[in-house]
Order: sequence, then structure tokens, then C-alpha cells
Amino acid sequence: GAVVSQHPSWVICKSGTSVKIECRSLDFQATTMFWYRQFPKQSLMLMATSNEGSKATYEQGVEKDKFLINHASLTLSTLTVTSAHPEDSSFYICSAPGGYDEQYFGPGTRLTVT
Amino acid sequence: GQSLEQPSEVTAVEGAIVQINCTYQTSGFYGLSWYQQHDGGAPTFLSYNALDGLEETGRFSSFLSRSDSYGYLLLQELQMKDSASYFCAVLTGGGNKLTFGTGTQLKVEL
Repeated sequence: GAVVSQHPSWVICKSGTSVKIECRSLDFQATTMFWYRQFPKQSLMLMATSNEGSKATYEQGVEKDKFLINHASLTLSTLTVTSAHPEDSSFYICSAPGGYDEQYFGPGTRLTVT
Repeated sequence: GQSLEQPSEVTAVEGAIVQINCTYQTSGFYGLSWYQQHDGGAPTFLSYNALDGLEETGRFSSFLSRSDSYGYLLLQELQMKDSASYFCAVLTGGGNKLTFGTGTQLKVEL
């Protein structure tokens, strides 16, 4: 099946700094990618839809100025958490559609803000 | 908005059969998917139902009733490795946007 990678797999940063997370589709092109956030023992919450060559679409309640998304190519989307705070500590996962019924998920990035 | 409800926890013994239910309220419904997630891992696709009825894939089967806004995942011949979280998810937004349910943690015991 199709492979989606994420980098880094985990990151620790200090409060107030910014962190960039990359999501790549390795063997297929993705005009759309999705970014999710998952807190421990909770469900995946869709944050935004990343669209190649255009602005991302954010879900209600997600701050677009805090979570910057750039989808500059057909295989790469990036999520930048700006001015990170401890409450932003979470598991961030990206996905790309693989046909009409399945999404391929990246392995996730665990962010810890100290 | 969208909402999907699942039982929070289910416990069963190895070799048994377990059913995980999912009820949903949504608009623009395309289909219902099921994903498995082990601790610290990424969700992996299990099944998808667009039409009413039962879909079978090996030990896993999934059912959908669109009129009842209800579906379930059936796991047979449970194995220890099936211990994981299971999420139902509705496909909306033109057919590629997933909204996940609350998740069910399955514990398989000896």
C-alpha cells in the first residue's frame, strides 16, 4: 500500500518556540492531505485540510495563525506550530487519501512543549 | 456538526467474538470506515461501508445501516494482538474527509 512518512517522529521544544512537522507521500502524489491532533486516550481530531497550491482549510476552533500549513508540492505538506505552549503537546498525525475509501496515515509526531 | 459514539472499552477473551458499535449523526454522509490504532502508532485501515449490509475481510466484518445511522465492527477469533483502539469514522466532504468516533479500547485477555 501507499506510504506516508512524517518527520520528526518526536520533538521536544521550549515554550514560545516554533516547530515544523513534515508529512510526505512517498510513492504517490497527494493534492490533499489532512492534519490531525490526538491527545492521550482520545480520538483523532481533524485540524485542517492541506491543499496543494492553495490555502489550507481549517476546522472550527483551530487557530490558523498558530498552526501554519504549507502544501508546496504534490508530495509534501508541513505543519508549523508557532509560539508553542505546553497545551500544544500532543500527537500530530497526517494522512492522505488513497482512493475513495481509505486514507493512509503517517506514523505521527509526538510533540512535547516544556 | 458531526458526532459519532462508541463504547469506551470492551474486554473479551482470546478466541471469542466481539462487536463494537458506532452510532453517528452527520451531514453529507458518504460512508463509514473502521480503523485500528495500537498505542503510539498510526491508525490503520480495516474496512469501509458505503452501502447497507455486511462487508467481510478475513476475521473482521463491518456492518452499516444508513437508515439507522448505525454500524458495527465484528472481530472473530480474537487474538492478543487485536488489543488496540478501534475507531469508526464517517467519510464526508466530497468523499475524502474523515471524522473519527470517540474510539473503543479493546482488551483481549487469555
